[in-house]
Amino acid sequence: EVQLLESGGGWGQRGGSLRLSCAASGFTFSNYAMGWVRRAPGKGLEWVSSISGSGDTTYYADSVQGRFTIARDNSKNTLSLLMNNVRVDDTAVYYCVKDHTAKEYGRFDPWGQGTLVTVAS
Amino acid sequence: DIQMTQSPSSVSASVGDRVTITCRASQNIASLLGWYQQKPGRAPKSLIYDTRHLQSGVPSRFSGSGSGTDYTLTITSLQPDDFATYYCQQSHSFPLTFGGGTKVDIK
Repeated sequence: EVQLLESGGGWGQRGGSLRLSCAASGFTFSNYAMGWVRRAPGKGLEWVSSISGSGDTTYYADSVQGRFTIARDNSKNTLSLLMNNVRVDDTAVYYCVKDHTAKEYGRFDPWGQGTLVTVAS
Repeated sequence: DIQMTQSPSSVSASVGDRVTITCRASQNIASLLGWYQQKPGRAPKSLIYDTRHLQSGVPSRFSGSGSGTDYTLTITSLQPDDFATYYCQQSHSFPLTFGGGTKVDIK
């Protein structure tokens, strides 16, 4: 069974840093692109970032470009999201998602249970 | 960026009703459209990818159709488990974008 387990959420100060992790199991991790999607309180879903199976290609939403860094360790089956210079509007539940193939993006299945990030002003 | 516009934003329906949700893209997305279901406090669940392909385990009362810029999610014979919020999402190009969501609640 495919499982995605996020960790690292919590409180952060505006301008500070947070690091999210996602532990993956139940599939050959390096064969699939991975990503992060978030949902802010009272808002809809927003794609944040994606990374290819090998880790050599990354994509970011404009809202996080230059502040967030997605990375993966295929030897440890882990995905991470380093969030720098966080803003109050980064407050959201962050979901780790598995994609369809190594280099095809946007067919997210499954989703992790999510981790809440709250940025205080 | 491709804008995804869902309608309606909410719908009240009864068990057994047929529900249709539409999603319009701001440009041709070549059937690269998925649908997700989210219940309060839960992670989203993928229902359909590439317009019409059901994910494994998704009941056959869910179906998707469309092409070009216009897409539809249909739930035939709404069940109690189907009351949730539904989102469409295009996978044609970055940035990947979602519709604003459609909340299906009990009439």
